[in-house]
Amino acid sequence: EVQLVESGGGLVQPGRSLRLSCTASGFTFGVYAMNWVRQAPGKGLEWVGFIRNKAYGATTAYAASVKGRFTISRDDSKSIAYLQMNSLKTEDTAVYYCTRNDVVADTPFDFWGQGTLVTVSS
Amino acid sequence: DIVMTQSPDSLAVSLGERATINCKSSQSVLYSSNSKNYLAWYQQNPGQPPKLLIYWTSTRESGVPDRFSGSGSGTDFTLTISSLQAEDVAVYYCQQYYTTPYTFGQGTKLEIK
Repeated sequence: EVQLVESGGGLVQPGRSLRLSCTASGFTFGVYAMNWVRQAPGKGLEWVGFIRNKAYGATTAYAASVKGRFTISRDDSKSIAYLQMNSLKTEDTAVYYCTRNDVVADTPFDFWGQGTLVTVSS
Repeated sequence: DIVMTQSPDSLAVSLGERATINCKSSQSVLYSSNSKNYLAWYQQNPGQPPKLLIYWTSTRESGVPDRFSGSGSGTDFTLTISSLQAEDVAVYYCQQYYTTPYTFGQGTKLEIK
């Protein structure tokens, strides 16, 4: 059974950092690109960024709203994707979901984690 | 960035009736080399992550009931629920995965009339 489990969320002050983890199981992690998508309270979905698999150079791409502050990485030996969030702003408050996509088959986000809530507030 | 615009923002349909949600992209999401439109639809229930319903405009994800169908090409797309069931009450999002940043529509809230 495919599972994605996010962890690391919580309350953090503006300007501070937080690292989220997404632990995967039930599939060959190294084959997939891993994405982070967020949803502010009562709002819609916003793609944060992704990291391709190693066959595609493990390259990354980010939304303009987080570029330069957030970094996505992966550890294929542990089947974990990370989202390092620096210089957090109140507008980064959201549920953060990790999700996968198959860059070879060109399919979108077929499995999602349950999400972890990040609250940025003083 | 490709802007995705859904209409309407909310929709109330009677049980057993047809529900139609539209999605327009600010530029084409058609990949000419394979003639596929990189357009997906997701369903989200309160407190739950989104669930993939349809990709490549009209391909249903495994396990999705056949009352859900997708159509369209280029910049205009439609999600249709042929006969609304109570469990279909949710928010629906379209998404383009043609190019980064991948972008979503603002969502359409579907309710029972």
